[in-house]
Amino acid sequence: GAVVSQHPSWVICKSGTSVKIECRSLDFQATTMFWYRQFPKQSLMLMATSNEGSKATYEQGVEKDKFLINHASLTLSTLTVTSAHPEDSSFYICSAPHWGADTQYFGPGTRLTVL
Amino acid sequence: QQQVKQSPQSLIVQKGGISIINCAYENTAFDYFPWYQQFPGKGPALLIAIRPDVSEKKEGRFTISFNKSAKQFSLHIMDSQPGDSATYFCAASTSTSGTYKYIFGTGTRLKVLA
Repeated sequence: GAVVSQHPSWVICKSGTSVKIECRSLDFQATTMFWYRQFPKQSLMLMATSNEGSKATYEQGVEKDKFLINHASLTLSTLTVTSAHPEDSSFYICSAPHWGADTQYFGPGTRLTVL
Repeated sequence: QQQVKQSPQSLIVQKGGISIINCAYENTAFDYFPWYQQFPGKGPALLIAIRPDVSEKKEGRFTISFNKSAKQFSLHIMDSQPGDSATYFCAASTSTSGTYKYIFGTGTRLKVLA
């Protein structure tokens, strides 16, 4: 199957700082990528749809100024958590649908801990 | 109408047994139903997927059964192994929307006893 990578795999930061998470499709191009958030023992919650060359589409209740998304190329989307606070601590996962297919391939996730 | 209801929340099965996880949906526009397996601290990995034009799909020990009229689909894991212990998520999407957005079930934590 197609490969999606994320970097970093885990990050610890101080409250008030910003953290950038990268999502890359390694062997295919992705005009669309998705960002999810997952709390322990819970399902994946879709935060936003990242669109190459245009603005991201955020789900209801997700602060777009808090979670900045940039999809600068066909293989890279970034999620920046701005002015992070302890309540932003979570597992962030990206995914990308293989071009022309319904299947989404997920990255390995990024564990964010805000102190 | 956009929800996908998944049950059970947790499941314990003996090694060699059959694990069965069920999902139900309301939106008849859904036309793609994947199942994902997730280990702790990892991203979900695609197991198997089905479209409404078939009632069953089998890949190795994993089988999806699909009942279009009942709007239900289930995952069967045959000869369950301790290595299958993970959380399983069903999902549904509408290909015609062109967005490929998934609606996920709430997940089932499977534990297979050795």
